[in-house]
Amino acid sequence: DAGITQSPRYKITETGRQVTLMCHQTWSHSYMFWYRQDLGHGLRLIYYSAAADITDKGEVPDGYVVSRSKTENFPLTLESATRSQTSVYFCASSRGKPSSGNTIYFGEGSWLTVV
Amino acid sequence: AQKVTQAQTEISVVEKEDVTLDCVYETRDTTYYLFWYKQPPSGELVFLIRRNSFDEQNEISGRYSWNFQKSTSSFNFTITASQVVDSAVYFCALSEEDNDMRFGAGTRLTVKP
Repeated sequence: DAGITQSPRYKITETGRQVTLMCHQTWSHSYMFWYRQDLGHGLRLIYYSAAADITDKGEVPDGYVVSRSKTENFPLTLESATRSQTSVYFCASSRGKPSSGNTIYFGEGSWLTVV
Repeated sequence: AQKVTQAQTEISVVEKEDVTLDCVYETRDTTYYLFWYKQPPSGELVFLIRRNSFDEQNEISGRYSWNFQKSTSSFNFTITASQVVDSAVYFCALSEEDNDMRFGAGTRLTVKP
């Protein structure tokens, strides 16, 4: 049971470069999410997707782009990385809408450093 | 506005002590869900429990127990007879009808041998 797989797990990039973090889930969950984790802020939602070809902004979407052409994949792109985007990024999924009580399950995280 | 408050940033206890992690939430919804997640030093986020707003029964799972009190908008987590393996950051989260799931800032628990 692979669950959610994120890649790369660790990445160092330079300011201004484009970076894509990949996320793949094997549960056929409808919902997928990208969170960032920063000290003192807990986890903050960047973008989420309710189904293939449906995406929506979360709390901190600026500087990020997502797509969901297939149910199982939800890549996150930083179009022009900035130092403030240095963070740990978590991909997550849930069977249905979290507000209906569906639990969100997380991947192992991707550590991104922008220098 | 902070929806979920975990006032304890860090807690340190000695093995076998009991410890309670506080979580206070804010919502106007009558239907909502509360969660606890554990993030061990390895970094992954592990789901521990989900509780809906209509079920105020306390829950016990081994050494873990949760106390949900709507009157004080709290959903506290107690570890009995703590062990070194309990060392982690613990997050409380709230899911409401028309909002994203919101997480608290987390409480770092260190259990010393």
